Amino acid sequence: RKEVEQDPGPFNVPEGATVAFNCTYSNSASQSFFWYRQDCRKEPKLLMSVYSSGNEDGRFTAQLNRASQYISLLIRDSKLSDSATYLCVVNIGPWGGATNKLIFGTGTLLAVQP
Amino acid sequence: GAVVSQHPSRVICKSGTSVKIECRSLDFQATTMFWYRQFPKQSLMLMATSNEGSKATYEQGVEKDKFLINHASLTLSTLTVTSAHPEDSSFYICSARAREGRIDYGYTFGSGTRLTVV
Repeated sequence: RKEVEQDPGPFNVPEGATVAFNCTYSNSASQSFFWYRQDCRKEPKLLMSVYSSGNEDGRFTAQLNRASQYISLLIRDSKLSDSATYLCVVNIGPWGGATNKLIFGTGTLLAVQP
Repeated sequence: GAVVSQHPSRVICKSGTSVKIECRSLDFQATTMFWYRQFPKQSLMLMATSNEGSKATYEQGVEKDKFLINHASLTLSTLTVTSAHPEDSSFYICSARAREGRIDYGYTFGSGTRLTVV
């Protein structure tokens, strides 16, 4: 079983639509959680961190359910520029420790259509 | 902000040759650097973790003699793909944990190196 699992998509949605991505992780000792965005042939860039209380940044809302080991990302009012691959990322190991590292999901491809 | 500069961005080499990829932290000291590999339509897979002044820790299935990592200073880590073969063609990305005093900038990524072995 993969450590971080995502639906690979693609998700093809019209502009203005709301789209939700889900992610599950297997390591219950995971420390922190993130959503990254990766454009084609580019490095991943941090979109937002994910907290148990849920957090929102403009049109983006992230949620974490530690009991279910489940993470979600909601994008409202999709823009053409949102087209990218969204990576669910889990940080394992003690923060600041030698074994701390990021584990990436396979990513979910989003294509926003005009 | 924290910046990691990665070079080259793209390299084409002949089968059997070696290729060196450099990652430099420009405005912070990177005690730990992570090296990832990404094949088409797949996610980033962690290859190894390097700590300044010590041997790198390789993930299971990654050959340490083929992927040589050197982290000789707090601002430079290198990955050398030795005796490269076409199956080594991939997108290689480095990442560093950026901290300045008490400020933790989290993980910063280099822009990646697209390696094609012909």
